[in-house]
Parts: sequence; structure tokens; C-alpha cells
Amino acid sequence: SQQGEEDPQALSIQEGENATMNCSYKTSINNLQWYRQNSGRGLVHLILIRSNEREKHSGRLRVTLDTSKKSSSLLITASRAADTASYFCATDSGNTGKLIFGQGTTLQVKP
Amino acid sequence: KAGVTQTPRYLIKTRGQQVTLSCSPISGHRSVSWYQQTPGQGLQFLFEYFSETQRNKGNFPGRFSGRQFSNSRSEMNVSTLELGDSALYLCASSWDRHPQLTQETQYFGPGTRLLVL
Repeated sequence: SQQGEEDPQALSIQEGENATMNCSYKTSINNLQWYRQNSGRGLVHLILIRSNEREKHSGRLRVTLDTSKKSSSLLITASRAADTASYFCATDSGNTGKLIFGQGTTLQVKP
Repeated sequence: KAGVTQTPRYLIKTRGQQVTLSCSPISGHRSVSWYQQTPGQGLQFLFEYFSETQRNKGNFPGRFSGRQFSNSRSEMNVSTLELGDSALYLCASSWDRHPQLTQETQYFGPGTRLLVL
């Protein structure tokens, strides 16, 4: 079963624009992570935000977490064609080693 | 430091056969988790091993099994393959995890793409 719902399912933007993806989850969490996947390859870890954090930055990435609404957002600023990929949020709710993934957002950045 | 490696990268099997996939974690990582990714079900957790012990298991039939060796390398086995087992199988490792510690980042390998005919 999927913990997260991601919105939108697909997003197409021009290079240089910002991309925002949202993730909602159902149960309480210890942390939430965002991953990127290119064309059915392995997942690349982007950022981890803990449940007691509200916002985190890493380069062109900005992640927010609202535990009261059980939601998170990933903002990619000044997007590049190389950002074209699928983006997944994943939650860990109990130190179980089990990440529960959303369905993902497919981002296309047009040059 | 080398990343997570998985072998083989691609595999074609026929129904009824069995398959073994291998995962070598990042050096120093003792936790290894396995996931199955399909277009229909997305990414689903199979199981997690730590210090040669299975600590958590997802909702998969008993045909799916795994083990971890003393060097933290892990294998998963699928017996009596079905068409629906065609998927990308991903392995992830993390540094350490203790029940009292917050989940650490999981680093994924490139995956093994299994096609069952």
C-alpha cells in the first residue's frame, strides 16, 4: 500500500522555471525523504527532512514539511533539462527500515 | 566510496524458475533493504536485513526470501517465478540503524531488471 499521494502526477515546464511537487502521507513519521529516478534506473537521494524540521535547503532544492497537514513539498528552482526525471517522496514511520513511497511525479523540463 | 552495487543488472527468466539477486552495500553500511518497483504497484518494500537478521518484512508471498552475509552483502531469492514478478528490484543500504535512532538515509543501487516470460 502506498503511504503518499503525490501531486501532480506529471509536470511539464520550460528550462529556467521553478517546479513544485507535493506529497501527502497518512501516518505519523520520523522523517520524509525525496528521491529522483531517471528512466527506470536506481533512486538518487535528494534530501531528508526530519519530523521536527519545517524547511530544508540543498542547492536548488527546497523542501518543506507540515506535519499538522501531513504534507511536504519539493521546490526545484531554475530548472534544467537534466532535472527531467521522476520524483518520489518516501516516509519512514517507525525506525523499521521500511520506506513507504508515493506514486511519484514525472517532471519534464523542456530546453 | 563506492556506491551500492547490484548484480546482475538484467535478467530474463521463464515462469516456474527461480532467481537470485545480489546486492553489495556501501562499505560500512549494515542495513540492507529490498524493494520491488512495477508500473502498477509502484515501489513496494520487500524486506530489510541488519547484521544477518531479517528485521522487517513487507507483504509479499513466501516465494520471496532473502538473506544477509557477515560482510553485509545481501541476496534475495524468488522461487517459482510468475509473470507478475517482472519488475525492477532495488536494493538500498544505510549506515546503521538502531531502534532508538532516527532512520538514516537509504542509498539505492541501480537495480536489477527482471523479466519473466
